[in-house]
Amino acid sequence: AQSVTQPDIHITVSEGASLELRCNYSYGATPYLFWYVQSPGQGLQLLLKYFSGDTLVQGIKGFEAEFKRSQSSFNLRKPSVHWSDAAEYFCAVSASGAQKLVFGQGTRLTINP
Amino acid sequence: GAVVSQHPSWVICKSGTSVKIECRSLDFQATTMFWYRQFPKQSLMLMATSNEGSKATYEQGVEKDKFLINHASLTLSTLTVTSAHPEDSSFYICSARPGTDSPLHFGNGTRLTVT
Repeated sequence: AQSVTQPDIHITVSEGASLELRCNYSYGATPYLFWYVQSPGQGLQLLLKYFSGDTLVQGIKGFEAEFKRSQSSFNLRKPSVHWSDAAEYFCAVSASGAQKLVFGQGTRLTINP
Repeated sequence: GAVVSQHPSWVICKSGTSVKIECRSLDFQATTMFWYRQFPKQSLMLMATSNEGSKATYEQGVEKDKFLINHASLTLSTLTVTSAHPEDSSFYICSARPGTDSPLHFGNGTRLTVT
């Protein structure tokens, strides 16, 4: 069964600084990988996904993520954060495009002005 | 884009009563929908997979008699929390995908408080 680990429960960065959120997965084959963002009391919005092909994927809101098979990682990055990026970020994995998603524990991002 | 609508967004009920939560795919048909539960400051845990026209598939540890799922049409799945208790208070989120290899789209969630 697949699993996801987000090592950082809470990260604080200053507005304008760069950001990297870590995600490690466990799965025997090539997984389908996702990053979602959740604002308080809201559902989840898809930031980006990786199914196959180019290992560097671009998403919405200026986010990107890189799939590294050798490290079983799918870290999320943004070169310059904005105060509106403060939210909870979830990495998720599925075995295929039709299967259920398994989520990591989430990383709460706080932005300092 | 694909939109999933969930209703109500919040509900308060008394212990022992039942509550129904609706999940609709507004602009696509979904043979499968997924119901997640989220405790405060925690991740999303899959409760069950709702299958149109057939029985739902429940995850281990989820009481199927307490969390009744009905997926009567290609655009609607409902979750009924029966005989609710305070420990059922949580944030429930549904999701669906427009097709195979499409990402899951999530509703805005339902905050259930049982008093």
